[in-house]
Amino acid sequence: QVQLQESGPGLVKPSETLSLTCTVSGGSISSNFWSWIRQPPGKGLEWIGYIYYSGSTNYNPSLKSRVTISVDTSKNQFSLKLSSVTPADTAVYYCASWTPGGVTGATFPDWGQGTLVTVSS
Amino acid sequence: EIVMTQSPATLSVSPGERATLSCRASQSVRSNLAWYQQKPGQAPRLLIYGASTRGTGIPARFSGSGSGTEFTLTISSLQSEDFAVYYCQQYNNWPPLTFGGGTKVEIK
Repeated sequence: QVQLQESGPGLVKPSETLSLTCTVSGGSISSNFWSWIRQPPGKGLEWIGYIYYSGSTNYNPSLKSRVTISVDTSKNQFSLKLSSVTPADTAVYYCASWTPGGVTGATFPDWGQGTLVTVSS
Repeated sequence: EIVMTQSPATLSVSPGERATLSCRASQSVRSNLAWYQQKPGQAPRLLIYGASTRGTGIPARFSGSGSGTEFTLTISSLQSEDFAVYYCQQYNNWPPLTFGGGTKVEIK
């Protein structure tokens, strides 16, 4: 079981780019897929996208035009960039491991604690 | 996109009683369904995958059933630590991976 920790600014201005990093510890980032999921205050979960350590990605079509997920294997980190944000992007952002084809199916067994990002001027 | 619908939105149950939560998919997801538990201020925790297999360390009072479009999570005898929000997630057709809107299990 790996540990994940999100980091990044808690406040972003409208129209700017939200940037977050997830640091993986207790295991190699090269051993799995990694995902970002968000949760607006008081609402449900929305999958943003995933990345494999090789750099291959897949994004939620609803966010695809604004999302970039990247990986830095040397730092055991992966990152999220969401451009042109609006107040609707205010949410707790979680990073998580993802296990397509694994024993648990394409689920999210390990999660970071989450970080609240508020979009406001 | 597969839409996951959970019911009820809120379930009021007394400790020791059984809780039954439902999740419906807009099209068949076979058995490619998971359940998560989320407590206030915490990240979700994987409870069930493959519709009915408990995750690591998950107590036996949690059980999942169903296939296709209709799924159920049952908590046989609610403990105080089980009061939380529960989400289902399908992983049969993606992108996108999709979650239900959640069921809050509260103390009656």
